[in-house]
Amino acid sequence: QLQLQESGPGLVKPSETLSLTCTVSGDSVSSSNYYWGWVRQPPGKGLEFIGSIYYTGSTYYNPSLESRVTISVDTSKNQFSLRLNSVTAADTAVYYCSVLRGEARFDPWGQGTLVTVSS
Amino acid sequence: QSVLTQPPSVSAAPGQKVTISCSGSSSNIGNNYVSWYQQLPGTAPKVLIYENNKRPSGIPDRFSGSKSGTSATLGITGLQTGDEADYYCGTWDSSLSAVFGGGTKLTVL
Repeated sequence: QLQLQESGPGLVKPSETLSLTCTVSGDSVSSSNYYWGWVRQPPGKGLEFIGSIYYTGSTYYNPSLESRVTISVDTSKNQFSLRLNSVTAADTAVYYCSVLRGEARFDPWGQGTLVTVSS
Repeated sequence: QSVLTQPPSVSAAPGQKVTISCSGSSSNIGNNYVSWYQQLPGTAPKVLIYENNKRPSGIPDRFSGSKSGTSATLGITGLQTGDEADYYCGTWDSSLSAVFGGGTKLTVL
């Protein structure tokens, strides 16, 4: 059974870099069956796609975030990671990692991790 | 402002049926599959419907999905208090990005 778990700092200072890792169990990040994705949700608001990555390193990013986002895969640790540069308070959100199967089918999801941007 | 448009809220009595609409364009819903997600309070979203009308195993047939043109609809029959949640539609967009609706809060009166 595929399971995902986010980890990383819960507090990041403005202008710094947000870094999160998603640990995958139940399958390999080298699987050719899916993409691995990140979605965020600001407090009290809706879902926003951040980006996704295939095991080959091929990526898709939300155009509104593309200039600040990097998603990578670490096959040796069976993890994939998110880096978001130059954060502001607007980047405060619960960040979820998920499996992207086909067209916008995110299934399953990690439990999510709240990242607050504040000095 | 979300790319896909959903009503902010819907409500119905227990046992009744409710539908939630999701409106997009030819750049997204019109040419791609739609998924629907349920987000119970304080939890991660869970997929209810994928590829417009398919249910993952374990999702009861009270939940159904349909798509017509640039719009999609989620239907829930036999409403239960446990169905109170936020519901989101999602699809792929020609910008090569996934997009979601703003979410609909379902209240079971």
